[in-house]
Amino acid sequence: AQTVTQSQPEMSVQEAETVTLSCTYDTSESNYYLFWYKQPPSRQMILVIRQEAYKQQNATENRFSVNFQKAAKSFSLKISDSQLGDTAMYFCAFINFGNEKLTFGTGTRLTIIP
Amino acid sequence: DGGITQSPKYLFRKEGQNVTLSCEQNLNHDAMYWYRQDPGQGLRLIYYSQIVNDFQKGDIAEGYSVSREKKESFPLTVTSAQKNPTAFYLCASSIRSGRWAEQFFGPGTRLTVL
Repeated sequence: AQTVTQSQPEMSVQEAETVTLSCTYDTSESNYYLFWYKQPPSRQMILVIRQEAYKQQNATENRFSVNFQKAAKSFSLKISDSQLGDTAMYFCAFINFGNEKLTFGTGTRLTIIP
Repeated sequence: DGGITQSPKYLFRKEGQNVTLSCEQNLNHDAMYWYRQDPGQGLRLIYYSQIVNDFQKGDIAEGYSVSREKKESFPLTVTSAQKNPTAFYLCASSIRSGRWAEQFFGPGTRLTVL
């Protein structure tokens, strides 16, 4: 069975600093996708960034980037120049290629301090 | 605007009553999903449907039922058999393809059993 582990239940950083959220996963498949979703206080789930396992290059979306280490089964999210609007729960998620079942981690509650 | 709508936003139910949560999407997505979110836990899959008139149980289907009579609609019924139904419920949809595995989420329904 696939599992996703987020070992940091809560984190807080000062505004404008850089923060890294950790995620590890377990799968026996070689083709899969990894995602980071953000859930702000409104509770709307928003896709932050996506990584295809067959791509060696790390995905980047503006201030958000990932460090994808396939051999280590690690998928961390780096938020640069953090902003107050980044305060949210962040969920790491995994899905096998061709499968519709997402597996979520338990989330990291990130607070940006003014 | 394309998107996913869920109604109602808040729902109160007396013990022993069935209640139905609505989920509608106009994204022309084939696949739809229902998740349950509890404090301190990630999202857990209740049911999913890849095509009209077909659906599969997820990880926590007991006490829930669904239907998929139309592509756009995937209502979830929480039955009296669900022993602890108070939770936040999220509906999602995706294109039924292994390549584009991203799931889009609705705003959620908060169900409280009185």
